[in-house]
Amino acid sequence: AQSVTQPDIHITVSEGASLELRCNYSYGATPYLFWYVQSPGQGLQLLLKYFSGDTLVQGIKGFEAEFKRSQSSFNLRKPSVHWSDAAEYFCAVGAGNAGNMLTFGGGTRLMVKP
Amino acid sequence: DAGITQSPRHKVTETGTPVTLRCHQTENHRYMYWYRQDPGHGLRLIHYSYGVKDTDKGEVSDGYSVSRSKTEDFLLTLESATSSQTSVYFCAISDRATDTQYFGPGTRLTVL
Repeated sequence: AQSVTQPDIHITVSEGASLELRCNYSYGATPYLFWYVQSPGQGLQLLLKYFSGDTLVQGIKGFEAEFKRSQSSFNLRKPSVHWSDAAEYFCAVGAGNAGNMLTFGGGTRLMVKP
Repeated sequence: DAGITQSPRHKVTETGTPVTLRCHQTENHRYMYWYRQDPGHGLRLIHYSYGVKDTDKGEVSDGYSVSRSKTEDFLLTLESATSSQTSVYFCAISDRATDTQYFGPGTRLTVL
């Protein structure tokens, strides 16, 4: 069975500081990996995804993530955080086949200090 | 924006009453999903559909049923709501062109 772990429930960073959100997955085959962001009271917005190829993927809003197969990780990074990045972030893994069932991590809530 | 709407957006109901949530999409996607979101659990799949009248169970399907009589509409029914079903419910579609799921705005359901 597939699973996703986001070890950090809450993270607080100062505005302008760098950010790394951790995601570890368990999956039996080559995974399709996703990061979504959810602002308060909103739905989920896709930040980026990894299917194959270059293991460093770029997303929207200046985010990037690196797929490391040996560590079963797909960590999300941003070099300089803005106050508007305060939100909840979800990592998800799927098969990418017909149906594309996703399994989500529990989420990491990011707070940004001025 | 994947053209997904959900109704109602907010609902308060009492234990034991039936509740139906509606998901509507405008882009003719084959796959549709219902998730619930609870603190610490992320999103968990309730049911999904792979076509008109074709549905299957997800991870947390007990107490829920679904129907899809038209491509554009996917209904989630709580036959007899319980307090444990208080949650935020999200509908999603899978865009086969990009193998990516896109989500609706959510429905906040409170069962008293």
